Formats: sequence, structure tokens, C-alpha cells
Amino acid sequence: QKEVEQDPGPLSVPEGAIVSLNCTYSNSAFQYFMWYRQYSRKGPELLMYTYSSGNKEDGRFTAQVDKSSKYISLFIRDSQPSDSATYLCAMVISNFGNEKLTFGTGTRLTIIP
Amino acid sequence: NAGVTQTPKFQVLKTGQSMTLQCAQDMNHNSMYWYRQDPGMGLRLIYYSASEGTTDKGEVPNGYNVSRLNKREFSLRLESAAPSQTSVYFCASSIRGLTEAFFGQGTRLTVV
Repeated sequence: QKEVEQDPGPLSVPEGAIVSLNCTYSNSAFQYFMWYRQYSRKGPELLMYTYSSGNKEDGRFTAQVDKSSKYISLFIRDSQPSDSATYLCAMVISNFGNEKLTFGTGTRLTIIP
Repeated sequence: NAGVTQTPKFQVLKTGQSMTLQCAQDMNHNSMYWYRQDPGMGLRLIYYSASEGTTDKGEVPNGYNVSRLNKREFSLRLESAAPSQTSVYFCASSIRGLTEAFFGQGTRLTVV
């Protein structure tokens, strides 16, 4: 079993819809949770980063972490065609300066105009 | 501000050939990383360098070597390429650990 599980999709939604992307994890030692966006043939870029349970908002994006359920989500409001990309969740275990970053496999999202 | 620059962007190798992937960052970051990305596998860490002069193995180091040439540059070498090393390779850097990593554009490598 992978430490981080993410539905690969693909996921297609109409423009303006709310998008929900999710990851589950098995290792309770994960402390930091990130979402990266990766456009086709580009490198991943950091979208959001959080370390606590609860919600964090940044514009149209909301990251949600539920440590008790080992579940994280990314919500995109008022989705735009420019949001079409692959979204990767990532998690970090940090232990006395040693960090281990584990990525999900990514969910491919298409926003239909 | 270029960020993280990788060269080359594309490469085709024959089995057994060697090559070096170059990475440079201009953000004065201490830590640098090499990942490979394969369909259905996500991003996997090959090697990383927490600071100039140090390197450590990641999740999938076999068949690779690295050199942290200076603070800016971190290279990845394939000594004898194998078809299993066909992948997209990403270099990344961060100032304080993996939580805020910046990625390059990637090198698409095919080994035939």
C-alpha cells in the first residue's frame, strides 16, 4: 500500500463549478501538507501549504486537512479553464532536520469552457 | 529571475550510454533535489543535497550519481543508461527543506 493515495482521474467539470480533489495517507507522522499544480510538460509549482488540521484559504483555493481521518482536500471555487492541470498532493515528515517528502500520483483535471 | 534551470530539456540515449543532467538555481537556496516522474508512480526522490558539499540517497538512487558542484549547481549522472531509466527528471531547490520546493521544467529522457 502506498503511503499517499490519490485518485488519478481524469476529472472533467464545467467552468464555474466547484472542484474537490482528495488524498488519503497512511502514515500519521506526516506533518506538512501541500498541493502542487503541474501544467502539461512543466514542473510542479506549489499552490498551498499547511501543517495543521482545518481549512486554509487562498483566493479561489481552499486546502483542508483532517488528521484524524488522514485525509486532505483541495477545493477550487469558480473553476476556470486555466485551472486545467494535474494536481499533486504532497506530504512531509520532518524529524530533527531530516525531511521526507512523499507525493501522490496526481489527479488530472480538465475545466470545460 | 530564472529560478531552477535544467538542461537538456530532451534527450535520447542508447542502452549503456552515459550522460549528465545539469541543474542550476539562482535563488540562493541551500537544498537541492533530483526527482523522477513516471506514470502512475508520482514523483520519486533520487538524490538530494541539504547543503553545499553534502549529498544523500533518496527513494530510488540505484543507477545514478550526483555532484553538488557549488551552491547553485546540482548534477545527476547516469553512468550506464537502462530502458528503466526512461522518465521525466525534475530538479528542485528549497531554502528550508522540502515544504517550499521550487521545481525546474524537467528533462524528458528516453533510453532505447
